[in-house]
Amino acid sequence: DAGVIQSPRHEVTEMGQEVTLRCKPISGHNSLFWYRQTMMRGLELLIYFNNNVPIDDSGMPEDRFSAKMPNASFSTLKIQPSEPRDSAVYFCASSLFQGNTEAFFGQGTRLTVV
Amino acid sequence: AQRVTQPEKLLSVFKGAPVELKCNYSYSGSPELFWYVQYSRQRLQLLLRHISRESIKGFTADLNKGETSFHLKKPFAQEEDSAMYYCALKSQGGSEKLVFGKGTKLTVNP
Repeated sequence: DAGVIQSPRHEVTEMGQEVTLRCKPISGHNSLFWYRQTMMRGLELLIYFNNNVPIDDSGMPEDRFSAKMPNASFSTLKIQPSEPRDSAVYFCASSLFQGNTEAFFGQGTRLTVV
Repeated sequence: AQRVTQPEKLLSVFKGAPVELKCNYSYSGSPELFWYVQYSRQRLQLLLRHISRESIKGFTADLNKGETSFHLKKPFAQEEDSAMYYCALKSQGGSEKLVFGKGTKLTVNP
């Protein structure tokens, strides 16, 4: 397995544009997490899914952010409209639900909103 | 609510010196605790978990429920240990929420 795959690796967009980040979890994993990493706030949990169902989205900063998981092998994080303060590295991670199992992270998407 | 606190944003030591990265947590249940590491230009990866009680790359971490701490220790730091370290807490009992501290950047100087 190639691990958790995120795309794109880098995204530069203008303020006001829609941005969609993509994630393919490890096959067989049934928990998926979206995190945002910044210097000031570290790793913030935005939302997580169990068996494709959103369980906790309390970390989603605003209504401009939305996430979906239409099936077990794909998830998206969308920002619309994007703002400069959304600039960060966004990580996706997957794990097996329950137990003392580790989360496997993707390489991240570095988003720059100008 | 789950909360993980890493009080030191930056930590700098010399090669061969002992190192301790602090982590305190807040959680009403019985937590599962982890340390993750992110080396330069690499993805975040698991370093160790409290339940395994193992030593990885010379690092150990003991869960102290009385002090609600899970500090990461290594007796002799190496230059290759320089990285970003994150303490994480996973809730049990169905929600499986995985929450991280803000991280500590460790620099080991030659």
